[in-house]
Amino acid sequence: RKEVEQDPGPFNVPEGATVAFNCTYSNSASQSFFWYRQDCRKEPKLLMSVYSSGNEDGRFTAQLNRASQYISLLIRDSKLSDSATYLCVVNIPYSGAGSYQLTFGKGTKLSVIP
Amino acid sequence: DAGVIQSPRHEVTEMGQEVTLRCKPISGHDYLFWYRQTMMRGLELLIYFNNNVPIDDSGMPEDRFSAKMPNASFSTLKIQPSEPRDSAVYFCASSRTYYEQYFGPGTRLTVT
Repeated sequence: RKEVEQDPGPFNVPEGATVAFNCTYSNSASQSFFWYRQDCRKEPKLLMSVYSSGNEDGRFTAQLNRASQYISLLIRDSKLSDSATYLCVVNIPYSGAGSYQLTFGKGTKLSVIP
Repeated sequence: DAGVIQSPRHEVTEMGQEVTLRCKPISGHDYLFWYRQTMMRGLELLIYFNNNVPIDDSGMPEDRFSAKMPNASFSTLKIQPSEPRDSAVYFCASSRTYYEQYFGPGTRLTVT
């Protein structure tokens, strides 16, 4: 099982729609979770952190479900400018005690259609 | 702030040649990361530094890869000799803490 898994998509949605992505992680001891956004042929950019209680930033809502080991990203009222690949990032423990490494999923591609 | 600066932006080289990628992190950021991104493997961490000291290089593919950070404002990633399978986009990122990393625009490397 891969450490961080995402549905690659593409998700094709009309403007104004609500869309949600999930990301699963394999290690229950993982700490710290993030969503990054990457536009075509550009660098990844931090979109938002994911807090245990869930958090919202405008049209974007992130949730963490530790019991089922997944995080989610909900985008409301989709805009054309939301078209991008969304990368799930998990801080996963590895090797030595107390060592963690940020691990990126391969991303979910979103296309918002006029 | 200028953001993370990488050079060159594109590099095309022949197999067996040495390749050097350069990165200038954001001033005041204590962490510097080198990543490689391919369609097959996604974004992979190669190595990261804290206060110019290499902390974790477990992602470096093999001895052909080496990275240095001689001071707080400059880092290099060197591949010698290069191979076609090294073709990828190489990103440098920096951050004040380990999290919330700011990525540079990347270097697109093609090895023929």
